[in-house]
Amino acid sequence: DQQVKQNSPSLSVQEGRISILNCDYTNSMFDYFLWYKKYPAEGPTFLISISSIKDKNEDGRFTVFLNKSAKHLSLHIVPSQPGDSAVYFCAASGTDSWGKLQFGAGTQVVVTP
Amino acid sequence: EAQVTQNPRYLITVTGKKLTVTCSQNMNHEYMSWYRQDPGLGLRQIYYSMNVEVTDKGDVPEGYKVSRKEKRNFPLILESPSPNQTSLYFCASGPYRGYTEAFFGQGTRLTVV
Repeated sequence: DQQVKQNSPSLSVQEGRISILNCDYTNSMFDYFLWYKKYPAEGPTFLISISSIKDKNEDGRFTVFLNKSAKHLSLHIVPSQPGDSAVYFCAASGTDSWGKLQFGAGTQVVVTP
Repeated sequence: EAQVTQNPRYLITVTGKKLTVTCSQNMNHEYMSWYRQDPGLGLRQIYYSMNVEVTDKGDVPEGYKVSRKEKRNFPLILESPSPNQTSLYFCASGPYRGYTEAFFGQGTRLTVV
């Protein structure tokens, strides 16, 4: 049973616009959330993270929002660029499972000119 | 250059023939982990290790073995591979304290026929 869910397998967005990727989780013990980006034929690379004590974290064009009551987080990319075209994975870990990282199924983002 | 190195990158093998996928990291990380990526399922954790001689099961450990005799190496062993282990495998490492993100290798594409 997947504890981290990304319900949108794909997202198409125009260059310069905002990309919003969503992620839901079921385990209330999760307290650390991460986003990874993956290009074809490469391993995932860390993008941004957020601890459960915060509700927002920004890094350049990337912002992650966390809504603990809804068990929902989102990644905003503003503005979207062609190089952002990749698969994005949401991941979570918790104090009850230190060392275990749960991933969502991923969202394929395509940024069009 | 900080990196996680997996070998081989591609492997085709036959059912039942034991194989080992190697993973090495040069960042002195205490934490290492193995994942498999399958379509629609994202990355699922197979085994992880918090330090030398300390390993634990992830979500899908059946059919796999690991060992952590040295800090830098974390090989994945398939004693008797089966076709359902055909997948894309990733090794990752990360710092133990204040675990934030994992650094991933480039992946090993395994096909079991």
